[in-house]
Amino acid sequence: DAKTTQPTSMDCAEGRAANLPCNHSTISGNEYVYWYRQIHSQGPQYIIHGLKNNETNEMASLIITEDRKSSTLILPHATLRDTAVYYCIVRVPHRLISNFGNEKLTFGTGTRLTIIP
Amino acid sequence: NAGVTQTPKFQVLKTGQSMTLQCAQDMNHNSMYWYRQDPGMGLRLIYYSASEGTTDKGEVPNGYNVSRLNKREFSLRLESAAPSQTSVYFCASLAGSSGNTIYFGEGSWLTVV
Repeated sequence: DAKTTQPTSMDCAEGRAANLPCNHSTISGNEYVYWYRQIHSQGPQYIIHGLKNNETNEMASLIITEDRKSSTLILPHATLRDTAVYYCIVRVPHRLISNFGNEKLTFGTGTRLTIIP
Repeated sequence: NAGVTQTPKFQVLKTGQSMTLQCAQDMNHNSMYWYRQDPGMGLRLIYYSASEGTTDKGEVPNGYNVSRLNKREFSLRLESAAPSQTSVYFCASLAGSSGNTIYFGEGSWLTVV
């Protein structure tokens, strides 16, 4: 199973761009990179996902390296409400997969991002 | 977290008691998951179900059983609760086609005394 490695914690000044790195050196060709965040003890919230091209939505941008072994989540103008734990996960194919996408999902420990006023 | 409903939201159990956490999704998703989250820790996968009628162990399955009753429902059972199972439990579902997002329930806070 592909694993991800993230820094334990990061700080970012309010209004600046927050760049959260993730290593996934054993990622397979058809595995996607997902980013989620969890505020307090709420359920994780989807942010963005990608396969190999850079992606952008209203929340963030995702930059995936050409070899796909690492990625960076960018929050362009961080606010205090962005303080959360951010998880980078890689979708792992189910060992009995019959329908593409029925997969095991494993989370790491995430990065605790603190936005500083 | 629209679409994934967990019950109960809070529960206190005595050691040795049994209980079932219920989860239902109304999005016609194939895959469903149960995670636990201990204080200050990340999410750990307990069990998952790739489709109706199938279940498989995750990282921390000991002390739990699951049932994928139908496509909508995926329950998690603690047969003999232990204090080490005090945690927040999250249910999630995934549509099953490439690139779809994962939807989480609100969480169930379980305390075993």
